[in-house]
Amino acid sequence: NAGVTQTPKFQVLKTGQSMTLQCAQDMNHNSMYWYRQDPGMGLRLIYYSASEGTTDKGEVPNGYNVSRLNKREFSLRLESAAPSQTSVYFCASRDQGIVRNYGYTFGSGTRLTVV
Amino acid sequence: DAKTTQPTSMDCAEGRAANLPCNHSTISGNEYVYWYRQIHSQGPQYIIHGLKNNETNEMASLIITEDRKSSTLILPHATLRDTAVYYCIVRGAGGTSYGKLTFGQGTILTVHP
Repeated sequence: NAGVTQTPKFQVLKTGQSMTLQCAQDMNHNSMYWYRQDPGMGLRLIYYSASEGTTDKGEVPNGYNVSRLNKREFSLRLESAAPSQTSVYFCASRDQGIVRNYGYTFGSGTRLTVV
Repeated sequence: DAKTTQPTSMDCAEGRAANLPCNHSTISGNEYVYWYRQIHSQGPQYIIHGLKNNETNEMASLIITEDRKSSTLILPHATLRDTAVYYCIVRGAGGTSYGKLTFGQGTILTVHP
C-alpha cells in the first residue's frame, strides 16, 4: 500500500552515539516533514523539506540534521544523541499543490530511547 | 498560524454522535481548518479539512461558523475504535508557515460501550 515508511521502528542509543532515522514515501509528494512527540504533548516540527533539494528548520531543530536524498527519501540524523532526544519521531509527507490542498500522510513512528 | 483551543477531554456513548469543538478566533482569511486524530502509539491520521464551507467525507463532517472563529468536528456514529486524541489545526497556505502543521494538545475522546 502507498504510504510513508519509517525505519527503524524502535531504537535504543547510548548518550553520544549517532544514528540516522530513515523515511521514504511512494506517493510522489513534494513536501516531507519530521516531527517529534513527547509524552502528553502534541507533535513538534523538527525540520521540513518543501521540495527536493530544500530543507528548513522547524520549531525544535537543535541537535538534528536532515537530508532530502531525493524526492522519495528524507532522513533525520542525530550526531550526538542526548537523553532529551528520547521521543517518538514521526515522518510525514504532503502534496504541495495549493489548489488541491491534500492532507498529510504520517508514518507509524520511530520510538527512540537515549540512555 | 492561528492558535486553537480545544477541550482537554470528552466522552461519548458508542453509536451516538461525537461533537468536538475547536475555537480559532484569530484565524485569518487564507487559513484552513484541519482535523487529525491519533490513536494510541500510531501516527496522526488525516480526517477532514475546510476553509469556510461545511465539509463531509466518509469519516466525519466539519462545521465551520460563518465568522470562521470556531468549528465542530462531528463523528456521526462513534465506535470504540474512534477513541483517540483529536487535533484541530489551523494552517496557512503561504508565506513562512507554508505547509507546516502546528499541533496543540488536542482533545482526548473516549467512546464508551
